[in-house]
Amino acid sequence: DTGVSQDPRHKITKRGQNVTFRCDPISEHNRLYWYRQTLGQGPEFLTYFQNEAQLEKSRLLSDRFSAERPKGSFSTLEIQRTEQGDSAMYLCASSWRAGALNEQFFGPGTRLTVL
Amino acid sequence: DQQVKQNSPSLSVQEGRISILNCDYTNSMFDYFLWYKKYPAEGPTFLISISSIKDKNEDGRFTVFLNKSAKHLSLHIVPSQPGDSAVYFCAASATSGTYKYIFGTGTRLKVLA
Repeated sequence: DTGVSQDPRHKITKRGQNVTFRCDPISEHNRLYWYRQTLGQGPEFLTYFQNEAQLEKSRLLSDRFSAERPKGSFSTLEIQRTEQGDSAMYLCASSWRAGALNEQFFGPGTRLTVL
Repeated sequence: DQQVKQNSPSLSVQEGRISILNCDYTNSMFDYFLWYKKYPAEGPTFLISISSIKDKNEDGRFTVFLNKSAKHLSLHIVPSQPGDSAVYFCAASATSGTYKYIFGTGTRLKVLA
């Protein structure tokens, strides 16, 4: 399988708990993005990695959120002290390089429900 | 401030007819535009893109038109098929920096058999 994979696909947690999501990009892609999608909205940018360097974080990414991409391969997104407002679909995308043909390939997403 | 807008939340079209989905943007720094299709429980799938140096790009049944002066783009699907029923997202990017995408809110297309 050469697509972007995400794990888990679904996560139900209680308010105040910590959760961690994993994204495995397409192997030759050096650019990795995290987005969040809530009901009735389009995906919203959260953060971006080029190789292992986190180069941009959205203001949506509060200090309860942290993302890593050790060794420039897979990435993890951790949410500490979850709140009900964190309930959303978390999407990971990867792309090969910048430029006009840099379309991002999305994974299936992780749906988070905070009770 | 919604930089990319899709003002029609839904659209129903008869099979075989043309589907036209519209998108408006406000940021003149955007120079690359894309359409993604999304089925339930799946991530968005890339459909077609256009650079701001062009005004039209065609790929099979799908054509995207860009009107830079009006800051408007549209996706035409001809002929529409039931399998095209999905949510369509317009996205825009500035080809510098992170190349992050700014998405619209989506249009749900239903193609009636």
